[in-house]
Amino acid sequence: RKEVEQDPGPFNVPEGATVAFNCTYSNSASQSFFWYRQDCRKEPKLLMSVYSSGNEDGRFTAQLNRASQYISLLIRDSKLSDSATYLCVVIRNTGGFKTIFGAGTRLFVKA
Amino acid sequence: GAVVSQHPSWVICKSGTSVKIECRSLDFQATTMFWYRQFPKQSLMLMATSNEGSKATYEQGVEKDKFLINHASLTLSTLTVTSAHPEDSSFYICSARESRNQPQHFGDGTRLSIL
Repeated sequence: RKEVEQDPGPFNVPEGATVAFNCTYSNSASQSFFWYRQDCRKEPKLLMSVYSSGNEDGRFTAQLNRASQYISLLIRDSKLSDSATYLCVVIRNTGGFKTIFGAGTRLFVKA
Repeated sequence: GAVVSQHPSWVICKSGTSVKIECRSLDFQATTMFWYRQFPKQSLMLMATSNEGSKATYEQGVEKDKFLINHASLTLSTLTVTSAHPEDSSFYICSARESRNQPQHFGDGTRLSIL
């Protein structure tokens, strides 16, 4: 079982739809959480940090549930430009800090 | 936001050539830099982690004599692919972070094609 798991998708949604991704992590020593987006043939870009209190940035909302060990990303009013792969990233500290990347969830937003 | 510059963006060269890729953090001091490779439609694969002034830590299965990493300063790390062969063709991406609990910021990546 992978330490950070994501549904690979793809998620195919129409413009304007609301779409949500979940990511689960298995190591309780995980401390910091992030969502990145990666466009085809490009580098990952930091989208937002994730906190237990929730984090909202425009149409994007991220949430952390420590008890259930998952993080979520909600995208409202999807745009064509939201089409990308969304990577869940976890930093854990078990005798040293390590960054663990999920394999990514692919999103296609269609007109 | 934090900026990481990676150079070159594209490299096409003959088999047997050694290729050097540079990764610079432009507006912060990167205590740690990371080198990844990514094949089409696959996840990032961590190759090595480098801390300024010390030897890089390579992931299992990555040949350290093949992929030479130097992290001479807090703003520069280099990856040299020695005697590159077609199977080394890939997308190589560096990232840098300022401190241990901070997110990584990625360079633009280098697309390496070995003929």
